[in-house]
Amino acid sequence: AQSVAQPEDQVNVAEGNPLTVKCTYSVSGNPYLFWYVQYPNRGLQFLLKYITGDNLVKGSYGFEAEFNKSQTSFHLKKPSALVSDSALYFCAVTDSWGKLQFGAGTQVVVTP
Amino acid sequence: DVKVTQSSRYLVKRTGEKVFLECVQDMDHENMFWYRQDPGLGLRLIYFSYDVKMKEKGDIPEGYSVSREKKERFSLILESASTNQTSMYLCASSLSGGLAKMNTEAFFGQGTRLTVV
Repeated sequence: AQSVAQPEDQVNVAEGNPLTVKCTYSVSGNPYLFWYVQYPNRGLQFLLKYITGDNLVKGSYGFEAEFNKSQTSFHLKKPSALVSDSALYFCAVTDSWGKLQFGAGTQVVVTP
Repeated sequence: DVKVTQSSRYLVKRTGEKVFLECVQDMDHENMFWYRQDPGLGLRLIYFSYDVKMKEKGDIPEGYSVSREKKERFSLILESASTNQTSMYLCASSLSGGLAKMNTEAFFGQGTRLTVV
């Protein structure tokens, strides 16, 4: 079975500081990994995905993610956080049918 | 832009009622999903459909059923609503087709917050 884990319930960061949201995965075969963001009272929005190729993936709103096969990790990063980045972030993995499995989510709080 | 529309944003139903949650997508996607979202538990897959009239159970199908008679519409049915089904329900759709199944992002509706009293 494929799964992802997000070890932090909440990440607090000051505006302008680097932001990292952690995700580890467990899959058989090649991993297909995604990050989604959810703003209050909204559905999920796609941020970026890793399929194959470069280990650094660039996505929407200045976010990027680093794929590390040896550590089975896919951490989301942003060099300089904004207050508007405060939201709930989900890591996800797809199986061969396209079925998405999500982590528990990490709440990001960016303070001015 | 892809649009996934859920019929209600907020719904209040009584215990024992039969409840229908409707979802429509306008991009001819093969895959459709129903998730429920609860604090601390993330998104849990209830049912997944990869084609018309095709369905597959997710992680928590008990107490739910689904219907997909047309490609664009995926309905979630609570046969007899119970208070432990109070939750946020999210519908999603994605492209399918061969290896593309594994590398296409899903698009989500706004969610339906269901309260069962």
